[in-house]
Amino acid sequence: DTGVSQDPRHKITKRGQNVTFRCDPISEHNRLYWYRQTLGQGPEFLTYFQNEAQLEKSRLLSDRFSAERPKGSFSTLEIQRTEQGDSAMYLCASSLRLGYQETQYFGPGTRLLVL
Amino acid sequence: GENVEQHPSTLSVQEGDSAVIKCTYSDSASNYFPWYKQELGKRPQLIIDIRSNVGEKKDQRIAVTLNKTAKHFSLHITETQPEDSAVYFCAASIDGGSQGNLIFGKGTKLSVKP
Repeated sequence: DTGVSQDPRHKITKRGQNVTFRCDPISEHNRLYWYRQTLGQGPEFLTYFQNEAQLEKSRLLSDRFSAERPKGSFSTLEIQRTEQGDSAMYLCASSLRLGYQETQYFGPGTRLLVL
Repeated sequence: GENVEQHPSTLSVQEGDSAVIKCTYSDSASNYFPWYKQELGKRPQLIIDIRSNVGEKKDQRIAVTLNKTAKHFSLHITETQPEDSAVYFCAASIDGGSQGNLIFGKGTKLSVKP
């Protein structure tokens, strides 16, 4: 499968615990996005990387959230001291930005449940 | 910032009928409008997109139209089939902007009855 992959697919944790998600983009895609999707809503932007540089963070991304993309390949999203309100689907998307155009392809998501 | 409104939130059609989903956007700088289909528990899949230099784009039974003056765009599905049942999301972004993040509508749940 040469698409975007995410791991784990499901995560159940207790409030206050830390969790980390991984995203592997399509090979050679230079942009990587993280979105959050809650039930009945469209995905909401969290942050994105161009190669290894994190270029933008949404106001939704509180100080408890941190993302990295070392070496411009895979990315991790960590949530510290999880809260029940963090329960959601976390989606990763990647794109190859050429000139001014790009098309984003999504991974299957990591569904997080905070008890 | 950009805001995307999508309607209807649910749509039920008979197999073989057409389905139309409409979206409006607020930022006149937006120039890229993709549509994603999401089946239950699965990833959003790009089904068609349009950039602002064209007014309409077709791909088999699916078409998208764009009216930049009115700031709205629509998805048209003809000859619907039960496998078209899913949640459809429209989105908008600015190609060539410093950010490429998509702003999504809230989705339309399409049910195609056999």
